[in-house]
Amino acid sequence: EPEVTQTPSHQVTQMGQEVILRCVPISNHLYFYWYRQILGQKVEFLVSFYNNEISEKSEIFDDQFSVERPDGSNFTLKIRSTKLEDSAMYFCASSGTGTAAYEQYFGPGTRLTVT
Amino acid sequence: AQSVTQLDSQVPVFEEAPVELRCNYSSSVSVYLFWYVQYPNQGLQLLLKYLSGSTLVKGINGFEAEFNKSQTSFHLRKPSVHISDTAEYFCAVSEVPGTGNQFYFGTGTSLTVIP
Repeated sequence: EPEVTQTPSHQVTQMGQEVILRCVPISNHLYFYWYRQILGQKVEFLVSFYNNEISEKSEIFDDQFSVERPDGSNFTLKIRSTKLEDSAMYFCASSGTGTAAYEQYFGPGTRLTVT
Repeated sequence: AQSVTQLDSQVPVFEEAPVELRCNYSSSVSVYLFWYVQYPNQGLQLLLKYLSGSTLVKGINGFEAEFNKSQTSFHLRKPSVHISDTAEYFCAVSEVPGTGNQFYFGTGTSLTVIP
């Protein structure tokens, strides 16, 4: 069964450093998403991406964040200058088109720890 | 924006007993509804979804949920739980039509099955 994969599974970085989280969505999916889950809290939407551009973003997704689809398979989330409060589990998701656009499949997550 | 409420943060239940995990949402517009399960140190796995049609939907692992539009609820049920059902359960809502297909998640319910 096709699945979304994410690397690395755990990333430790120092405050102020840049990090790139990587995702490989399901191959025939066209919508891509990033969510985050701060420890003990709910999963929060960050951004959705379609047709090589951001289709929606939340208030959390400020200028420190960017997304990119550098090739036909990867989807990345970059945090330019990490803060302590960026520590969270980051989930990538993807979905198809039509009503399938609403069926999001999630990856296993990258745990980001900012020290 | 949607507000998704999962009133029960923790639900302990004995093995082979029935369980109901409650989910209410705020929207007055059309929605798609989802339940995801998160096992320890893993990502989000889709349990079941309501897009249209019958208000009673069946998912994996013997779970089912009923969409009640008048009560804006989508409660998850299982008639007989197993130890392996111990996990975190998240209700999610997507507005239809929405921009960017973003999901709004509840705060989660931790189900603990007691032997």
